Amino acid sequence: QLQLQVSGPGLVIPSETLSLTCTVSGGSISSGSFYWGWIRQPPGKGLEWIGTIYYSGTTYSNPSLKSRVTISVDTSKNQFSLRLSSVTAADTAVYYCVGQNSSAWGWLDPWGQGTLVTVSS
Amino acid sequence: DIVMTQTPLSLSVTPGQPASISCKSSQSLLYSDGRTYLYWYLQKPGQPPHLLIYEVSNRFSGVPDRFSGSGSGTDFTLKISRVEAEDVGVYYCMQSVQLPFTFGPGTKVDIK
Repeated sequence: QLQLQVSGPGLVIPSETLSLTCTVSGGSISSGSFYWGWIRQPPGKGLEWIGTIYYSGTTYSNPSLKSRVTISVDTSKNQFSLRLSSVTAADTAVYYCVGQNSSAWGWLDPWGQGTLVTVSS
Repeated sequence: DIVMTQTPLSLSVTPGQPASISCKSSQSLLYSDGRTYLYWYLQKPGQPPHLLIYEVSNRFSGVPDRFSGSGSGTDFTLKISRVEAEDVGVYYCMQSVQLPFTFGPGTKVDIK
């Protein structure tokens, strides 16, 4: 059974870069059956799609964040990563990594448990 | 961006009674391949969201048949035929017909 686990710092200083990694277990990130995505949720608020990557390295990002977002994949480690630069308090959120069905991107399953990242000095 | 709206934003339901949530999109979610890319997710308290319904009306694996989805174009509905205590949480609709994927604001369902 495919499982995703997010890891990374829970506290980031304003203006610095948020870095998170999602480790995929129970299957290969290179299988081609999935795209791999990032979703975030500010405390008490709704969901926002950040971006998506395929194992080949093709990426798609939300234009609202695009200039600050970098999504990468490391097939040797079965991981994909998110970097968000120049963070502000508005980037405080629970960050989820997800698997996206390659034939239906809106099919988000599985989800990682998520990690709260707080932007504060 | 496609804007997703949901009504109501909150719903209090007596166990055993039905519930209905409406989701509207600012553009048609029907793609040129004939598929409609509208999904429903439920986020239970303290958990990540999980998939309930895909492409308007298809229940995901393990989802009870009391959940059903319907609609077309820009208007969609999620129905729970008989609400149970375990159905509490926030329900989100989401579109993936066009990037960026966008979610509705969520409908919070609780039990009376």
